[in-house]
Amino acid sequence: DTGVSQDPRHKITKRGQNVTFRCDPISEHNRLYWYRQTLGQGPEFLTYFQNEAQLEKSRLLSDRFSAERPKGSFSTLEIQRTEQGDSAMYLCASSLEFEQETQYFGPGTRLLVL
Amino acid sequence: AQSVTQPDIHITVSEGASLELRCNYSYGATPYLFWYVQSPGQGLQLLLKYFSGDTLVQGIKGFEAEFKRSQSSFNLRKPSVHWSDAAEYFCAVGAWYGGSQGNLIFGKGTKLSVKP
Repeated sequence: DTGVSQDPRHKITKRGQNVTFRCDPISEHNRLYWYRQTLGQGPEFLTYFQNEAQLEKSRLLSDRFSAERPKGSFSTLEIQRTEQGDSAMYLCASSLEFEQETQYFGPGTRLLVL
Repeated sequence: AQSVTQPDIHITVSEGASLELRCNYSYGATPYLFWYVQSPGQGLQLLLKYFSGDTLVQGIKGFEAEFKRSQSSFNLRKPSVHWSDAAEYFCAVGAWYGGSQGNLIFGKGTKLSVKP
């Protein structure tokens, strides 16, 4: 079990640029979640997938954000036209859907928008 | 709406002292509750979880938590803190969508500092 991995771990970009993050879940997990965490706050839910279907999206997920999980394995989160307010840690978690579901988190991608 | 409150933003304890981190939740039904720990610049590691049954749950690293329905609380405890426990601790409740568990709702976290 290699755990949840995320790439890159750090990203610095200029305002207005597009960025894409990748998450590789634990191999047998069919659910994948994206969260955003700003300084001094707990993680906030952005969206989640069950297999390749995106089942829920938070109101935090503006039109500039898009997430995909094309084959039900890895997922990407893209932010278009980044703004300074997008600076945060982006966390991915995966789980196996059953009654006592437990989410396991990756190390996160820290984004800084200059 | 579901919510989680962690009343203490920052706690400092001496190494070897006992620890209790508070967590209160707001949820209509029986909640699924979790404690995670986060070291600086890292992701979240699961400490323990409660789904049902025994209200005192044991976790990793010597942590335990007690679910008290009457107080809507799920406080985290450790009898003797080690310097390596210094980190940020998050309490979370599982949200439900149409009969299936979905995302987690987190508190704002409690930062634990440990004095030598």
